[in-house]
Amino acid sequence: DADVTQTPRNRITKTGKRIMLECSQTKGHDRMYWYRQDPGLGLRLIYYSFDVKDINKGEISDGYSVSRQAQAKFSLSLESAIPNQTALYFCATSDPGTKSNEQFFGPGTRLTVL
Amino acid sequence: GDSVTQMEGPVTLSEEAFLTINCTYTATGYPSLFWYVQYPGEGLQLLLKATKADDKGSNKGFEATYRKETTSFHLEKGSVQVSDSAVYFCALLGMNAGNMLTFGGGTRLMVKP
Repeated sequence: DADVTQTPRNRITKTGKRIMLECSQTKGHDRMYWYRQDPGLGLRLIYYSFDVKDINKGEISDGYSVSRQAQAKFSLSLESAIPNQTALYFCATSDPGTKSNEQFFGPGTRLTVL
Repeated sequence: GDSVTQMEGPVTLSEEAFLTINCTYTATGYPSLFWYVQYPGEGLQLLLKATKADDKGSNKGFEATYRKETTSFHLEKGSVQVSDSAVYFCALLGMNAGNMLTFGGGTRLMVKP
């Protein structure tokens, strides 16, 4: 039951290339997030969006950009990839109407920049 | 700002052993606290949560109690199974705008048969 999907699941690219990671959700949530995961650092927030017209920078937005094409779609772009952007990237969604504010995560995209 | 500190792993246990993974936090006000689990090759899943002091979250035999006096939310399980092998993340949702989760660094648990 893949409510939050990410494509591609794995990607190897070269320094300087532009790359886009895509996220789609069928949960009907307004809020979407992009995180990166690095060993020992947990997850760090890159960008988040409260609705289609709202985009906000997170903790580590430098070198990244995002696009919220629709309520269900939130894409992350690396305009010119560099090796230290090698990481596991997760998309997440949440519904602000719930008391718990639980976030639901996609399966992740493993990106390697050579 | 908000922060979460977890014990470093990996934690290696034999099946049926008792598990504790320590988590402490720094935050203003009264955050909500979460444990997420990441099984190999998968995204994060919410394991349990607690939204106010002295609440106990529980799920799948795991428990954690929100201790405001010690700013802790330690994860425990009385008898681990091989299938519990995963990475566990402690996280808090602080009194900030926009549902921003702050994660700890994660603790890898390896359970041997």
